[in-house]
Amino acid sequence: KAGVTQTPRYLIKTRGQQVTLSCSPISGHRSVSWYQQTPGQGLQFLFEYFSETQRNKGNFPGRFSGRQFSNSRSEMNVSTLELGDSALYLCASSAGTALSYNEQFFGPGTRLTVL
Amino acid sequence: AQSVTQPDIHITVSEGASLELRCNYSYGATPYLFWYVQSPGQGLQLLLKYFSGDTLVQGIKGFEAEFKRSQSSFNLRKPSVHWSDAAEYFCAVAVTGGGNKLTFGTGTQLKVEL
Repeated sequence: KAGVTQTPRYLIKTRGQQVTLSCSPISGHRSVSWYQQTPGQGLQFLFEYFSETQRNKGNFPGRFSGRQFSNSRSEMNVSTLELGDSALYLCASSAGTALSYNEQFFGPGTRLTVL
Repeated sequence: AQSVTQPDIHITVSEGASLELRCNYSYGATPYLFWYVQSPGQGLQLLLKYFSGDTLVQGIKGFEAEFKRSQSSFNLRKPSVHWSDAAEYFCAVAVTGGGNKLTFGTGTQLKVEL
């Protein structure tokens, strides 16, 4: 099976712009989670989507949003970019259906740089 | 809210030496526990996980971890480190009923001296 795919791998934006990142989960997986990784804050959970519905959300401002399509692919969007949004954004997919934890498989990440 | 502490930010060991990375968690009940490894520019790879049962868990690449409820710890060990083990290691927890949300520790950067 192909792994989790994230596009683009690298992105450079300027403050105030918006950005959309894409994640294609492992075939058959219906859950997609997003994480932000920065040197200062470490790895932080953004949100999780399952069957096109957000079912879990971290503590991030409303500028961070996401969605999931019927084919389970997911996008996350960051509006009005700030310098502090520079980070590695990781996507993880899992096959889980229940609210109990299901093993997640991580993609390589998208490196976002905000200038 | 649950939290995960990895007290060692950096650790340097010689190739062939043993390794122990520490992890402590704070949570009312026993959470699901994980160790991940991240090489530069890469995503996260799961080394091992603990859900229940035997408190000594075997993982990939020769790693093992021991869950100690009394100490709220889940330390990662390897008897003989290889130069290719140099990477960053993250301990993480997930809570029952919390879906797929992982809470990570701050990570331990492992350097291996030849």
